[in-house]
Amino acid sequence: DVKVTQSSRYLVKRTGEKVFLECVQDMDHENMFWYRQDPGLGLRLIYFSYDVKMKEKGDIPEGYSVSREKKERFSLILESASTNQTSMYLCASSLIRPGNSYEQYFGPGTRLTVT
Amino acid sequence: QKEVEQDPGPLSVPEGAIVSLNCTYSNSAFQYFMWYRQYSRKGPELLMYTYSSGNKEDGRFTAQVDKSSKYISLFIRDSQPSDSATYLCALIGFSGGYNKLIFGAGTRLAVHP
Repeated sequence: DVKVTQSSRYLVKRTGEKVFLECVQDMDHENMFWYRQDPGLGLRLIYFSYDVKMKEKGDIPEGYSVSREKKERFSLILESASTNQTSMYLCASSLIRPGNSYEQYFGPGTRLTVT
Repeated sequence: QKEVEQDPGPLSVPEGAIVSLNCTYSNSAFQYFMWYRQYSRKGPELLMYTYSSGNKEDGRFTAQVDKSSKYISLFIRDSQPSDSATYLCALIGFSGGYNKLIFGAGTRLAVHP
């Protein structure tokens, strides 16, 4: 059974703080993704990675960075949190390399509130 | 214009009703179509996946794709309270050198006993 875990379910941070969101998958998937989900906007891709130490920008990378030092772990970093980054953050992984990406397995999400 | 349009609802139906959920898309290059289901406080999980135009059935669920109209649908027969969730359509598109999933906003469905 595929499992994607995220370090926190709920997080409250102050404006200007550096925030780390961790994601771990246990299925040896090459691809990993970070999305944010906001009402009426659906899921928007922030960053993805198709291999260790590789990263690609998604649709809304501004204000975020990522790190993938190990295959199973993909971290999302908010360099200086702002209130407009209050959102649900979802991590996902998939097995097939870009060019044939299909099913993505999602973690439970981290609801981040920036005050 | 968004690449994928989906009515956010909410949609409220009685138990046993047939539910129709829909998405429209603008880019005819989309080839693969998926439906994800997301329960409250959980991540999305894949419900159905289809490639071609036509219907694909899985139990009480039927996914329908009409590429000529750029319209996809998910039908739920004999809906149950356990079907209450948000349903997201997702299309695979090619952007920036990679294929990626492009999601609709999601339709919130409530099935009441």
